[in-house]
Parts: sequence; structure tokens; C-alpha cells
Amino acid sequence: GDSVTQMEGPVTLSEEAFLTINCTYTATGYPSLFWYVQYPGEGLQLLLKATKADDKGSNKGFEATYRKETTSFHLEKGSVQVSDSAVYFCALSHYNQGGKLIFGQGTELSVKP
Amino acid sequence: NAGVTQTPKFQVLKTGQSMTLQCAQDMNHEYMSWYRQDPGMGLRLIHYSVGAGITDQGEVPNGYNVSRSTTEDFPLRLLSAAPSQTSVYFCASSLLRDRNTEAFFGQGTRLTVV
Repeated sequence: GDSVTQMEGPVTLSEEAFLTINCTYTATGYPSLFWYVQYPGEGLQLLLKATKADDKGSNKGFEATYRKETTSFHLEKGSVQVSDSAVYFCALSHYNQGGKLIFGQGTELSVKP
Repeated sequence: NAGVTQTPKFQVLKTGQSMTLQCAQDMNHEYMSWYRQDPGMGLRLIHYSVGAGITDQGEVPNGYNVSRSTTEDFPLRLLSAAPSQTSVYFCASSLLRDRNTEAFFGQGTRLTVV
């Protein structure tokens, strides 16, 4: 079956450091790929998405590129802020399965001043 | 626009008790789902619905029931609570057949079964 694997956390960075959170997936066909973010005490919200190979999703300084050849969707940000501290989830879904999301285990990011 | 509303936010149950977690959305989304979030395991799908009157099981359905009598509401019932059901529960909704679809999540219900 389909699956998503993320790098384990927690990840601790200093403010203005470069961030990479690795995500790889196993899926049949051509899934859409997502990054969701969960701030402390809140529900998940969409950070960015990509629906086909070589698409780049971007939002709030975060970027991720859909790499079909390596089945990856790594999340990057050039300069993190304390306010980026959160749990980040990589996920996939298939067009014919509506909103049925398959999540990675989540990566906790802590940014120190 | 309220989005997805879950109640309650916190709940403590004794083993064997039953309860219903409420979920409502006002975006006219066909698809609704329930997930549980456990440390190190991400979110796992419990049940989902593609429209009123239609429900199906997800990855971890045992011990839970759902119904979908209206487009707006999708309650999750715990039949006889067990400590293994201690978790954070999230309801989500989205459009059904849209490649760019975004899932909208409620704020979660933190359930403790003692």
C-alpha cells in the first residue's frame, strides 16, 4: 500500500538557519503531495502542495519540489524563525480518493533564538 | 466562515464508557474523515465519508462508529472506551474529486481514557 516516510525529529535549529525536512513516498500512479503544519495546540493546516512531477509548492518561505524519479518531496526554508516551531507532516493523496490523506509520522521542529 | 468545528476539545472517560465526538463543517464539502494522532505515528485514518449516507472504514476503525446523515455533520462514536483509545482526534473535510483539494482540519479533541 501507499506510504510516506519522514525524517525523524525533533529537529532543533537556531534562528536564521537553513531547514530541510526529508520526505519520501511509496505510491502507485501519480499522487498529489502535501506538507501540513501543526502549531502547538492547533489542528493541521496546509502549508504547500504539488500535484504533478517537477511542480514546486511554496508558501511563507517554505518550498518543496515533487521529484518523481526519487519519490521525494523534501521541505526546505532558507532562514527559519522562532515562529516556525511546529510539527510538519508530509502527506499524499490520489485524485480518485478525494481527501483521503496518507501521512508521514511528522517531524517536530524547534527553532531557538 | 467557521470551517471545521470539533467538540469537545478535551474529554476524560472511564474504561467502558461511551461518547460521541462531534464534527461539523460549513463549506459544503462532500468528503469528511476522522483521524487519530499518536506520538511517532502521524495521523491514521479511522473512518471516512464521501457524502451523506455513505461511510467507510479507514486504517484503524475498530472500536469506533460513524454516521453521516447530513453533508455538514460527521460524528464519531466510541462504543466502549479503552485506554488504547487515548489519543488526539482530528476531523477533516475536503472536496471529493479535486486534484488540488486541500483538507481542512478541526482543532482536535484530546481524549484520555482511564
